[in-house]
Amino acid sequence: AAGVIQSPRHLIKEKRETATLKCYPIPRHDTVYWYQQGPGQDPQFLISFYEKMQSDKGSIPDRFSAQQFSDYHSELNMSSLELGDSALYFCASSFRARAGAWMGTQYFGPGTRLLVL
Amino acid sequence: SQQGEEDPQALSIQEGENATMNCSYKTSINNLQWYRQNSGRGLVHLILIRSNEREKHSGRLRVTLDTSKKSSSLLITASRAADTASYFCATTGGSNYKLTFGKGTLLTVNP
Repeated sequence: AAGVIQSPRHLIKEKRETATLKCYPIPRHDTVYWYQQGPGQDPQFLISFYEKMQSDKGSIPDRFSAQQFSDYHSELNMSSLELGDSALYFCASSFRARAGAWMGTQYFGPGTRLLVL
Repeated sequence: SQQGEEDPQALSIQEGENATMNCSYKTSINNLQWYRQNSGRGLVHLILIRSNEREKHSGRLRVTLDTSKKSSSLLITASRAADTASYFCATTGGSNYKLTFGKGTLLTVNP
C-alpha cells in the first residue's frame, strides 16, 4: 500500500538559510499535518491542511509557512533557519471526510531530518 | 501544555515478558492512539481507542482507557527484541484533529 512520502530525507543547511520540505500524502487522503520532533523530544504539531485550506495551527514559528496544493501535496517552507530548528520533521495524512470511519488516525511519513549548522 | 505524559520514561525487560506503559492526559479527548517509533525513524500507528471504549485488542497489544482518570495503558504481551522502540500516546480532542503527543516510553527488550 502507498505510504506518505517525504522529501528530502536528509537536509543540511547553514544558519539564516531557507529550506523547503515536501510531503506527498497517501492517495485520496484529504488532510495533511506537519510535526516537528527535536532530539529526545515528543513530536509537536505545527500546522495542518484540510482540502487545501489551513485547518489548524500549532507552535509554528512565523519564519515557517506551509501550503497544500491542488494535488494535495504540501510544502513546509522554513526561512532564516536557526540552530534550534534542527529536528526531525514529519508529515502525516488522514482521510477526514470518510463517513463512518474512525477519526483521527494519521499515517506518518519517514520524516525529513534537518540539520542546521 | 503537554497533553499526554507517559510512565515510565524507560522500561527494560527480557524477551517473553509483558510490558506495560501508561499515559495520562489533561483535557477531554475524542480518541487516544498509540504510536511506535524506532530510533530516529517514522511513527508507526499501533492502535486507536475511542473515548467511549474501555478496552481494545490488536494481536499482542491491549489498550485500556479510563476517561474518569484520564489515563490509558498499553500492554504488549510476550515481548520480542523487535519490540524495542519508543512508544508514544497521542490524543485528539474537540473539533480539531491534531495529535498531542506524550513524552514517550523507551522500551528495551533484551534477548
